[in-house]
Formats: sequence, structure tokens, C-alpha cells
Amino acid sequence: QSVLAQPPSASGTPGQRVTISCSGSSFNIGGYTVNWYQQLPGTAPKLLIYSDNQRPSGVPDRFSGSKSGTSASLAISGLQSQDEAEYYCAAWDDTLHGVIFGGGTKLTVL
Amino acid sequence: QVTLRESGPALVKPTQTLTLTCTFSGFSISATGMSVGWIRQPPGKALEWLALIDWDDDKYFSTSLKTRLSISKDTSKNQVVLTMTNMDPVDTATYFCARRPPRILMTDSGYFDLWGQGTLVTVSS
Repeated sequence: QSVLAQPPSASGTPGQRVTISCSGSSFNIGGYTVNWYQQLPGTAPKLLIYSDNQRPSGVPDRFSGSKSGTSASLAISGLQSQDEAEYYCAAWDDTLHGVIFGGGTKLTVL
Repeated sequence: QVTLRESGPALVKPTQTLTLTCTFSGFSISATGMSVGWIRQPPGKALEWLALIDWDDDKYFSTSLKTRLSISKDTSKNQVVLTMTNMDPVDTATYFCARRPPRILMTDSGYFDLWGQGTLVTVSS
């Protein structure tokens, strides 16, 4: 069981807005920034959001991140079929002295 | 252009030691604040962070695996090497290396902005 809790699955229809949550503690999300990664089937993870809400160059503004207290969220608006992927949150953890990943959320576009 | 590539054996036997090499280009691990990390992913499972080495040779390890892991860098060859001892079938996974650029603030977790394609390691007799 991951220190960062994510729902195992999420779904939406094309054009919809979906959110994926990531719940942690004061030792990780509450004290450090959150990053999100997108992993398409059979490929390496790709940085999607860093420092809670920053998008790397090339990531569409349909993707946004937010954080409040010990929880973070990834929002995807205008859902597209190519968004079907696994999404992971990650943060530094003070007690583990290392990086922790959430368990991942599989997004299905219906 | 920044690239990273993992290399190592595709198959190891139980109890053996795994040695993986991450060869990168387009950046220097000697640059202030730069780091390279290793992350693995068992088939059908989530990402698991393993280790990180900083530009100044500081090293960090997964708490659950630290007794089995070591990490080193060869600046002249642009390589980072991960070693994992006493391999077990549960260690079967795709192993990724990734770059972590310098953190701006102390509250930055740091993020892996570029990843290698990964290398699948199977542990079986």
C-alpha cells in the first residue's frame, strides 16, 4: 500500500473534466511540492505537472494541478482518447528520506 | 538533446547481484544541484523509487531496500550505476533511470523531468 493514496481508477467521456486525487500527510504533500506523471501503455513515465501546478513545456493547458494541505489533485479538462493512461503522483517524504509515488490511477476514456 | 539509456542483464538468477548502468547525454551530473535517480516498476504494478545520487555525491535510498542497494556515478563517462544484491523473483521489474534537475526551494520535492526507456529485468532460475 502506497504512502500516497490514489483511486485505482477513473473514467470520463470525451470532452469531460476529470480529477484524480492524491492524499498524503504532513511529512510529504503537506511539506513538499507534488509532481504528476503520465504513463501511456508500454512507455516510460512522462512528467506532467511539477511543483504542484507547473506544466513542463509541451504539456497542454488541459492538464492542471492543485494542492491543499495534505492532498493534491490533477485535473484534466476536455478529455481526449489519448489521455487514456496511468497517472502517478509523487513527492518527497521526510520520514522515509526519499521519493514516494502514489499507487497510480488508471484513466479510461469511455 | 537530453537522453538517458539503461543497460544491464535481462535475466538474473536468484541471489545474484544486479548491476545496471544509466548512460546519459545532454547534461552533466556535475552541474550544481543535478541528480539522477532509479525507479522500478514490476509488471502491472506501480512505480517504486529506488535510489538517487546528487551532483555532490550525496546518496539516498529507498528505506525498504537500502541494505541491498548501492549507487555511484562516473562523471567522465556520463554514467550512473545501480547495484542491487541478493536478487529475488519479486524484483522482476522494468528499471528506469531519470534525471532530476536542481531544486529551487528546500520545499521542492524535486521531479524527474526526463526518463530512459527502461530495461526489463527478470529474476528466475
